[in-house]
Amino acid sequence: GAGVSQSPSNKVTEKGKDVELRCDPISGHTALYWYRQSLGQGLEFLIYFQGNSAPDKSGLPSDRFSAERTGGSVSTLTIQRTQQEDSAVYLCASSRTEVRSPLHFGNGTRLTVT
Amino acid sequence: AQTVTQSQPEMSVQEAETVTLSCTYDTSESDYYLFWYKQPPSRQMILVIRQEAYKQQNATENRFSVNFQKAAKSFSLKISDSQLGDAAMYFCAYRSDNFGNEKLTFGTGTRLTIIP
Repeated sequence: GAGVSQSPSNKVTEKGKDVELRCDPISGHTALYWYRQSLGQGLEFLIYFQGNSAPDKSGLPSDRFSAERTGGSVSTLTIQRTQQEDSAVYLCASSRTEVRSPLHFGNGTRLTVT
Repeated sequence: AQTVTQSQPEMSVQEAETVTLSCTYDTSESDYYLFWYKQPPSRQMILVIRQEAYKQQNATENRFSVNFQKAAKSFSLKISDSQLGDAAMYFCAYRSDNFGNEKLTFGTGTRLTIIP
């Protein structure tokens, strides 16, 4: 597609359930990033992929959070045993390999944990 | 670790006027990239302008320009002839030039309101 696609757009889940968030990057973009944006806050880095490997997982807030990327394309962010504090917008971005290349963001998934 | 500071949580400007959004950052690196992103209510982050630290010339993109002061670690965004469509959250971001540290570090944002 023309841009970064994220699904679902919105997700409401009960506390304690697991959720999966999906990101389809721009074709040909080798780098993929996940960020979290809590209400009225800035963007908090979660994890970065270069191809299928994740050289930087430093932002994952707990072991309930994990992410994978397959085929150098689609990525899935999984949150296990969701908590209310996990409620936020989860943004995915992709870019070309070159550092000077800007990140292109999707529209995000708004996660609400009730 | 790098940090980015936006000290203006909210700003407002009359339509057609000029407004400047402030950003400072802290780094020990000499090579890096700076960005301004706009986030309208649709949530999508849109790149506004980019500056390479090794370039002395300030970047410009139509009505948007930056004042990059490397020694002062300052990177402000000037919006000229403000339009209603400019209303959004604006985020300043830093990106290292070092391999393995490619993530963007964002400031907390400035909410810009355009007054008709």
